[in-house]
Amino acid sequence: GAVVSQHPSWVICKSGTSVKIECRSLDFQATTMFWYRQFPKQSLMLMATSNEGSKATYEQGVEKDKFLINHASLTLSTLTVTSAHPEDSSFYICSANENLEQYFGPGTRLTVT
Amino acid sequence: ELKVEQNPLFLSMQEGKNYTIYCNYSTTSDRLYWYRQDPGKSLESLFVLLSNGAVKQEGRLMASLDTKARLSTLHITAAVHDLSATYFCAVGAGNNRKLIWGLGTSLAVNP
Repeated sequence: GAVVSQHPSWVICKSGTSVKIECRSLDFQATTMFWYRQFPKQSLMLMATSNEGSKATYEQGVEKDKFLINHASLTLSTLTVTSAHPEDSSFYICSANENLEQYFGPGTRLTVT
Repeated sequence: ELKVEQNPLFLSMQEGKNYTIYCNYSTTSDRLYWYRQDPGKSLESLFVLLSNGAVKQEGRLMASLDTKARLSTLHITAAVHDLSATYFCAVGAGNNRKLIWGLGTSLAVNP
């Protein structure tokens, strides 16, 4: 199946700093990618849909100025958590579609101290 | 609004026994997915079900879809410890491939 990578796999940052997470489709092109966050022992929460060449579509309650999404090419979407706070600590997962399958990246564990 | 309900949320199983996880969804959809997640890991795709009556099997897992009842089942045959994980169903919503997720079923297989 298709492969989606994420970088970094884990990151620790201080409160108030910004963190960028990259999501790449390695062997296919993805016009649409999705960003999720997941808290321990909970389901996935869709944050936004990343659209290549246009603005991301954010889910209700997700601050677009805090979670900046850029999808500049058909193989790369980035999520920047700006002015991170401890409550932003979570597991962030991206996914991309190929045909009718949705493939997931390995996730990025963010810890804000 | 599309909602997805999974049950049970927790399942403690004995090795060798058979069990079923249920996934109900509230409005029409053209695709349903089952994923597995191990602790601390991302999601692994198990099955994609696209049509009424679809049945797919992989090893000890078998998934089926009844679009009229808006119900999918994930059947586990002769459970083994390696199947311990959290299983999610997700239903497609809209043309942009967005998925609506169930809460997950945390499955523990005990000897």
